[in-house]
This record gives sequence, structure tokens and C-alpha cells, in this order.
Amino acid sequence: KNQVEQSPQSLIILEGKNCTLQCNYTVSPFSNLRWYKQDTGRGPVSLTIMTFSENTKSNGRYTATLDADTKQSSLHITASQLSDSASYICVVSAYSNDYKLSFGAGTTVTVRA
Amino acid sequence: NAGVTQTPKFQVLKTGQSMTLQCAQDMNHEYMSWYRQDPGMGLRLIHYSVGAGITDQGEVPNGYNVSRSTTEDFPLRLLSAAPSQTSVYFCASSSGQGGPGKLFFGSGTQLSVL
Repeated sequence: KNQVEQSPQSLIILEGKNCTLQCNYTVSPFSNLRWYKQDTGRGPVSLTIMTFSENTKSNGRYTATLDADTKQSSLHITASQLSDSASYICVVSAYSNDYKLSFGAGTTVTVRA
Repeated sequence: NAGVTQTPKFQVLKTGQSMTLQCAQDMNHEYMSWYRQDPGMGLRLIHYSVGAGITDQGEVPNGYNVSRSTTEDFPLRLLSAAPSQTSVYFCASSSGQGGPGKLFFGSGTQLSVL
């Protein structure tokens, strides 16, 4: 079964600090990896989508990296803001079944002033 | 500029009741899907559609029905609600050939089955 594991489950950081979230996956054959941000009570919003050939992609203060060889991805948040408090979800799709995405359980980030 | 609209936002049902969760998108997306989100778990795919008249089952389809008569609408029907269906439901749509591209999610429906 394809799986996506995220760590840590939750973290608390001070405003202005950086943090890195991890995503390990076993989905194969790999098609693409996505990171979504989900604010409390809202639907997820896309941050980045990376294919096999991409190893880094940025969206403002969010930078995602991908190592397809080790099946690992990370999401780095730079100079965190209070608005970064949210759940961050890693999503992986398999090339052979691109209609069905595998979702991680998410990392809950709390930014404190 | 509505995007994906879900109604209702909240719903309480009694065991055995039926209801329909509505989902509409105004982006002319061919791909639409329904997910449920439970605490501590990733979103799980219930049903999806790659175009009007075409639907398929996802990971957890039992107890749910869908239809796609138009590009814009993709309702989810609970046939006979059970407490195990208490969850937050999200509808999502995307463009893209051969699979979902960037997904656009609705704001969710929080369903409680008593």
C-alpha cells in the first residue's frame, strides 16, 4: 500500500524563526509530490507541486525540496509569521494511477509571538 | 471568483437518514473529487469524476453515491447515515489531462451522525 509519513506531528515555533517539515513516502512509481497548507476550518490550499526531475521549488517563504532517490521531501518555512499557523499536508501521486493521491496526516505548525 | 463551493457547512443527521452534500465549481474543471478528513489521518478519497457522466470509486466508497450530470456539479449522497460517517468532507477540482493537476478545495462540510 502506498504510504506518506510526515514528521513531526506538530511543532511550535517563535515568530521570525525558521522550521522544516519532513515527508517520507513509499509511493511507486512516483509521479509528483505536492505540499498543501490547511488553515483551521478551511480546505487545503496548494503551495508547491514537484515532479521527478525537480529537486526544489519555492513559493514565497515556503521552499520544498525533493529527493526522489531516498523518497523524501521537506518543506522549509523561512522567517515564520503568525499566519503560517496551519496544518501542512504532503501529497504524493503514483504515475500509474494519477487520479488517486496519497495524503499524509499533516504537520500542525503553531507560530507564537 | 467563487472557485469550489460546498454546501452546507455544517450538518447533523440521525442514524439512517440520507442527505446530499453539494459541490459546485466555476472553473470548468473536468476532474472533481470527494474526500473525507478524520482526526490524525490523511484525506481519503471517496469518489472522483474525470468528466460529466464518468465517475469512479476511491479508497472509501462504501455508503456513498455520486453522479456527474454537468461539468460544474458533483454531489455526494449518503444513503443511510452511520456514526462512522461523522467527518469533515471536502470537495476538490482540478484541470489537467491524465490525472489531477493542482487541486482546488472547497471549504468543507462538517457532518455529525448521531
